[in-house]
Amino acid sequence: KAGVTQTPRYLIKTRGQQVTLSCSPISGHRSVSWYQQTPGQGLQFLFEYFSETQRNKGNFPGRFSGRQFSNSRSEMNVSTLELGDSALYLCASSEGTSGFTGELFFGEGSRLTVL
Amino acid sequence: SQQGEEDPQALSIQEGENATMNCSYKTSINNLQWYRQNSGRGLVHLILIRSNEREKHSGRLRVTLDTSKKSSSLLITASRAADTASYFCATMIYNQGGKLIFGQGTELSVKP
Repeated sequence: KAGVTQTPRYLIKTRGQQVTLSCSPISGHRSVSWYQQTPGQGLQFLFEYFSETQRNKGNFPGRFSGRQFSNSRSEMNVSTLELGDSALYLCASSEGTSGFTGELFFGEGSRLTVL
Repeated sequence: SQQGEEDPQALSIQEGENATMNCSYKTSINNLQWYRQNSGRGLVHLILIRSNEREKHSGRLRVTLDTSKKSSSLLITASRAADTASYFCATMIYNQGGKLIFGQGTELSVKP
């Protein structure tokens, strides 16, 4: 099976712009979670989608949003970029069925630099 | 806020030695997982231990869980240079599958 695929791998934006990141989960996985990793705050949970519905949400401002499509692929969007949004954004997929409590499979991440 | 705290923050050992990393967390959990990350890349799942388990082994990895102390430890035996990476503990809470709360991580350096 192919792993979790994230695109783009690297991107540079300027303050005020917006960005969209994409994640294709492992075939058959219906849950996609997003995480932000920065040197200062570490790994923080952004949100989780399951069957096109947001199931869990972290403590991030409304500038951070996401969606999931019927084929389980997911996108996250960050609007009005700030310097502090520079980070590695990681996507993870899992079976995600009700009561799921197992491992997550992570992609290689999208490294966003905001200038 | 971070659920897990890890220590040490950095650990440097020689090949062949054992490496022990500790993790503490704050709330009741369903399970605790350990992940490895090589220099800015994705996370790789190492091992999962459920709240009703006390110890688990996988190859050179041994993980323990003490729910009364809300702590866990990861032991890597006979370390290799290829084990050089950052190691993170992560907790999963009941009814929140897909959401992991990570510790700050331990940076392990294994010198040949």
